[in-house]
Amino acid sequence: ELHLLESGGNLVQPGGSLSLSCAASGSTFSEYDISWVRQAPGKGLEWVSIISNTGDTRHFADSVKGRFTISRDNSEDTVYLQMNSLRAEDTAIYYCATREKCGNGVCYGLQYWGQGTLVTVSS
Amino acid sequence: DIQMTQSPFTLSASVGDRVTITCRASQSINSWLAWYQQKPGKAPKVLIYKTSNLESGVPSRFRGSGSGTEFTLTISSLQPDDFATYYCHQYNSYPWAFGQGTKVEIK
Repeated sequence: ELHLLESGGNLVQPGGSLSLSCAASGSTFSEYDISWVRQAPGKGLEWVSIISNTGDTRHFADSVKGRFTISRDNSEDTVYLQMNSLRAEDTAIYYCATREKCGNGVCYGLQYWGQGTLVTVSS
Repeated sequence: DIQMTQSPFTLSASVGDRVTITCRASQSINSWLAWYQQKPGKAPKVLIYKTSNLESGVPSRFRGSGSGTEFTLTISSLQPDDFATYYCHQYNSYPWAFGQGTKVEIK
């Protein structure tokens, strides 16, 4: 089981940048893909991005493509979400989440979640 | 991109009721669907993966079914701990997507 802890959330002005971190513990971090999922205040869940266990593959939601980047440092057991050109609609709690790797024809849902970090974009 | 449409948005029910939530995908997602429960101020918790597989530790009153583009989450006998918001999630192809959520309220 992997334990996840997000940090870096803050108040930032529109057009600004912010970097979030997701630190992991409890298992072999380099075996896990890591996703970011966000939730605007009072709203539903929105998948944001994923990075493969090796860092070779990345995918993004259309709403953040070209503005957000994702990276990881497996020596530090940490994933980063770099957010640029921030907009008011990026205001949300950002969760990192993961699952056990797929095997025997089965892929799981997101089993392990952090507690989230709040990003507020406002002037 | 695949869109996920969940219904109803809210559902009022009593303890002991059978509850069904529906999730429709805009195209086939080959059974790669999960269901989550979220309570206020908490991270989501996965209940079901690959349409119908119960996550370890989840009570058997939760059941997932469906195929192709139509999926359902059924709670056979609603318990006090089940009042929460539920989300479906397709992970067949990127970008992944969640449904809008269904809030299960006390009648």
